Amino acid sequence: AQSVTQLGSHVSVSEGALVLLRCNYSSSVPPYLFWYVQYPNQGLQLLLKYTTGATLVKGINGFEAEFKKSETSFHLTKPSAHMSDAAEYFCAVGGLNQAGTALIFGKGTTLSVSS
Amino acid sequence: ETGVTQTPRHLVMGMTNKKSLKCEQHLGHNAMYWYKQSAKKPLELMFVYSLEERVENNSVPSRFSPECPNSSHLFLHLHTLQPEDSALYLCASSQDNAMNTEAFFGQGTRLTVV
Repeated sequence: AQSVTQLGSHVSVSEGALVLLRCNYSSSVPPYLFWYVQYPNQGLQLLLKYTTGATLVKGINGFEAEFKKSETSFHLTKPSAHMSDAAEYFCAVGGLNQAGTALIFGKGTTLSVSS
Repeated sequence: ETGVTQTPRHLVMGMTNKKSLKCEQHLGHNAMYWYKQSAKKPLELMFVYSLEERVENNSVPSRFSPECPNSSHLFLHLHTLQPEDSALYLCASSQDNAMNTEAFFGQGTRLTVV
């Protein structure tokens, strides 16, 4: 079975600071990994995904993530935080559970950005 | 309209009521999903439909009943719910339900059971 663990339920940064949101995965097969963002009262929006190929993946809004197989990690970064980045971020892995094949999500990390 | 649309956006229902949540996708996708999002918990996958066929999931209480009449529409029928069923219910769709395929989400229905 596949699963993801997001380390830290809440991360606070200052505007202009580096953003680092941590995600570790567990998978018995090569993983397919995703990061989504959710703004208040909205659904989830895809930031980026890793399937195969280049391990550094660039996404929207200046975010990127690096797949590290040796560390079973897929951390999300952004060099310089903006106020508009404040939201909840979810890491997910393509997986199979009792409901079928679909994205399996972590608990989420709330990002706060202060001026 | 484009993307995935859910109606209603907000719903308050009593424990003896029967209501339905509706989801419609305009992306030509072949797979649709219901997720439950509760505070402090991971998104919980409830149901998966692929090519209008559902994988049985005995972990979801029978008071939740999904229906997928065609590849563009998905319903979640609700009856005799409990207060702990209050949550944000998210619908999603994807091109197929392969593990490497991203899902597109609607804005959700905020359900409150009183």
